[in-house]
Amino acid sequence: GQQLNQSPQSMFIQEGEDVSMNCTSSSIFNTWLWYKQEPGEGPVLLIALYKAGELTSNGRLTAQFGITRKDSFLNISASIPSDVGIYFCAGQRHSNSGYALNFGKGTSLLVTP
Amino acid sequence: GAVVSQHPSRVICKSGTSVKIECRSLDFQATTMFWYRQFPKQSLMLMATSNEGSKATYEQGVEKDKFLINHASLTLSTLTVTSAHPEDSSFYICSARDLAIANTGELFFGEGSRLTVL
Repeated sequence: GQQLNQSPQSMFIQEGEDVSMNCTSSSIFNTWLWYKQEPGEGPVLLIALYKAGELTSNGRLTAQFGITRKDSFLNISASIPSDVGIYFCAGQRHSNSGYALNFGKGTSLLVTP
Repeated sequence: GAVVSQHPSRVICKSGTSVKIECRSLDFQATTMFWYRQFPKQSLMLMATSNEGSKATYEQGVEKDKFLINHASLTLSTLTVTSAHPEDSSFYICSARDLAIANTGELFFGEGSRLTVL
């Protein structure tokens, strides 16, 4: 499947700072999702976006579905140490194989107290 | 959210043996489950789509005879790595879609299974 372009690859920030990461694709997706993965665990869904232009919040997390349906960003406000992990964007389009996800390469986030 | 459970979480096997990994949806029914593979510090790569009661659909480059998938019920899919070799060592993750909310894109992931082939 097609991979998404996710940036930055890694971030090293201090507690309390805001974080922003984004994903772009050359193709249109019907759904964008953001997941967080901690070492040795499966990804956990953070936010799901279904409509172009949609802006959705989940606590300190905010994500937007780009108007062109080819991009999305995730913001984390007032970061805390437990935000550490790898964040993946995932795009979904309808296909013969169903609703399979295409993943970005991930953004590794480190937060220092 | 819906719970997806994988077993075993870790497995070490000798080269040439076969290993079976189970993926269960614990509190929902899933007509479709997806199997992903993740190498260290890499993203998740889709291996195959498992559909209940029918043959799995494999992604290009994934050997269907090596990675056997069975989805015999609405709550269980299995991945069997046959004649495993060291290069098959990886983190295998399954995901499932809740039949009740199948029109959404939300996929729930298992905890993953770490396979090490000696």
